[in-house]
Amino acid sequence: EPEVTQTPSHQVTQMGQEVILRCVPISNHLYFYWYRQILGQKVEFLVSFYNNEISEKSEIFDDQFSVERPDGSNFTLKIRSTKLEDSAMYFCASSGTSGGAYEQYFGPGTRLTVT
Amino acid sequence: GQSLEQPSEVTAVEGAIVQINCTYQTSGFYGLSWYQQHDGGAPTFLSYNALDGLEETGRFSSFLSRSDSYGYLLLQELQMKDSASYFCAVRGRSGANNLFFGTGTRLTVIP
Repeated sequence: EPEVTQTPSHQVTQMGQEVILRCVPISNHLYFYWYRQILGQKVEFLVSFYNNEISEKSEIFDDQFSVERPDGSNFTLKIRSTKLEDSAMYFCASSGTSGGAYEQYFGPGTRLTVT
Repeated sequence: GQSLEQPSEVTAVEGAIVQINCTYQTSGFYGLSWYQQHDGGAPTFLSYNALDGLEETGRFSSFLSRSDSYGYLLLQELQMKDSASYFCAVRGRSGANNLFFGTGTRLTVIP
């Protein structure tokens, strides 16, 4: 069964450093997303991406964040200068069509720890 | 904006039936989804209701009442592996494809 993959599974970084989180969405999906979940809290939307551009972003997704689809398979989230409050689990997700956005397939997540 | 409220915790006995409620306030409504998340795992899609009524998928059913801005997830014949967090979610707005998640309900199944 196709699945979303993410690397690394755990990233530890120092405050102020740049991090890149990587995702490989399901191959025939068209919509890609990043969400984050602070420990014990709900899943929060960051950004959605379609047709090589951002289609939606939340207020969390400020100038410190960027996304890119550098090739036909990878989807990345970059945080330019990490803060302590960026520590969270980051999930990548993908879906087949806009109408099917209610059914999103999530990757296993990258746990980001900022020290 | 969107607001979805769920009970924070529910405990039920193996083999029993449990209902997890979700009330929502949204500027527009485009269906209610349910996701399951085991500790340390990723959310996985369970069900979706666009119209009023009950949708059944095996042991899980989901109900929606748009007039009451309310839905629930019903889990039957509970198994220990059903212990997880359950989130309801709505789409951000018309035409948007992002999901806005509820606060989550932690279900504990006991023997």
